[in-house]
Amino acid sequence: DAGVTQSPTHLIKTRGQQVTLRCSPKSGHDTVSWYQQALGQGPQFIFQYYEEEERQRGNFPDRFSGHQFPNYSSELNVNALLLGDSALYLCASTRTGVEAFFGQGTRLTVV
Amino acid sequence: AQSVSQHNHHVILSEAASLELGCNYSYGGTVNLFWYVQYPGQHLQLLLKYFSGDPLVKGIKGFEAEFIKSKFSFNLRKPSVQWSDTAEYFCAVMPSFRSSASKIIFGSGTRLSIRP
Repeated sequence: DAGVTQSPTHLIKTRGQQVTLRCSPKSGHDTVSWYQQALGQGPQFIFQYYEEEERQRGNFPDRFSGHQFPNYSSELNVNALLLGDSALYLCASTRTGVEAFFGQGTRLTVV
Repeated sequence: AQSVSQHNHHVILSEAASLELGCNYSYGGTVNLFWYVQYPGQHLQLLLKYFSGDPLVKGIKGFEAEFIKSKFSFNLRKPSVQWSDTAEYFCAVMPSFRSSASKIIFGSGTRLSIRP
């Protein structure tokens, strides 16, 4: 049973560019959440998608947007990249009543 | 605001020593509690969880944690650590809603280094 898979694993972008990160949830999970983990910090909640809609959002600017597809996979888009957006981006999938499973993350470096 | 505090940023122990990592949370309602571990170069893995019932929960690799509701605490313990326990440990809280999954709020993490 495949767990949560994320792509790409590493990415280098230039300040001002846009980036799209992808996530496939664990089989049977319908809810996808995205987290940003800066170096030396715990993961910070960005937003959560359920039934193709954003259900909850953390304290992140509108430059961060997302999408969930009918097969429950999800994308995280970040526009107008800043140096401070450099971080590990984690995707987690779950369904009601069970714990979240995390992917290995995408390491984004903005130069 | 909801928050999670981990008392120690970096803990260094010798093999066979006992471990206790502190965690306190701030949230007035019902919560689900977790400890996640992140080994070097690997993804976050669930160590143990508390949803309801017995406040003393046992996890993988000999870890356990005790939920003390009156103290808003969920401390992680292991009687005898091994070199392979070297990792980053995150305490996390998920506000519990009956009908939907919810966001997870993480602490800032505790780096555990074990001297062989």
